[in-house]
Amino acid sequence: QKEVEQDPGPLSVPEGAIVSLNCTYSNSAFQYFMWYRQYSRKGPELLMYTYSSGNKEDGRFTAQVDKSSKYISLFIRDSQPSDSATYLCAMTGYGGSQGNLIFGKGTKLSVKP
Amino acid sequence: SQTIHQWPATLVQPVGSPLSLECTVEGTSNPNLYWYRQAAGRGLQLLFYSVGIGQISSEVPQNLSASRPQDRQFILSSKKLLLSDSGFYLCAWREGWGTTSTDTQYFGPGTRLTVL
Repeated sequence: QKEVEQDPGPLSVPEGAIVSLNCTYSNSAFQYFMWYRQYSRKGPELLMYTYSSGNKEDGRFTAQVDKSSKYISLFIRDSQPSDSATYLCAMTGYGGSQGNLIFGKGTKLSVKP
Repeated sequence: SQTIHQWPATLVQPVGSPLSLECTVEGTSNPNLYWYRQAAGRGLQLLFYSVGIGQISSEVPQNLSASRPQDRQFILSSKKLLLSDSGFYLCAWREGWGTTSTDTQYFGPGTRLTVL
């Protein structure tokens, strides 16, 4: 079983739709979770960062962590064509000490006008 | 604020030729530095990371090598490129271990390498 699983998509939605992107993981030690957005031929940029379980909201984006189910989600409300990108989840079990990020393979999202 | 630079942006090299990719970070001291390769459908593969000058950890066996001659400079090299070395190479940094920082990594713009 891979440490982090992410559906590669592609996912195509109409403009204005609510998008749900998900990752599952197997390591119960993970407690720091991130979402990155990567536009075509660009480096990934940090979108959301959450620690432990719960929700975090930033504008149209909401990150959700369910540690009991080992499942994290990113919700995008009122999706826009500019949201079309690949979304990568990342996680680690350490804070401020040893430990590298484990990445999902990314989900490619296309928002159609 | 911190910025990270990579060059060149694109590179086309023949099989068997050498490689040198450079990454520099500004606005921070003693960062952890990372080299990743991203191939289509395969996600981000961590190649090397460094916690300080001259300290390199390799994650996968390959014909690539890395060096960190200065605190904020990270170089990826190869003596002889293979076709399988083609891909999108990303450099990333994070605040050094032992700080109160998060584990967040920040990526550069990447170098697209095509080996023919």
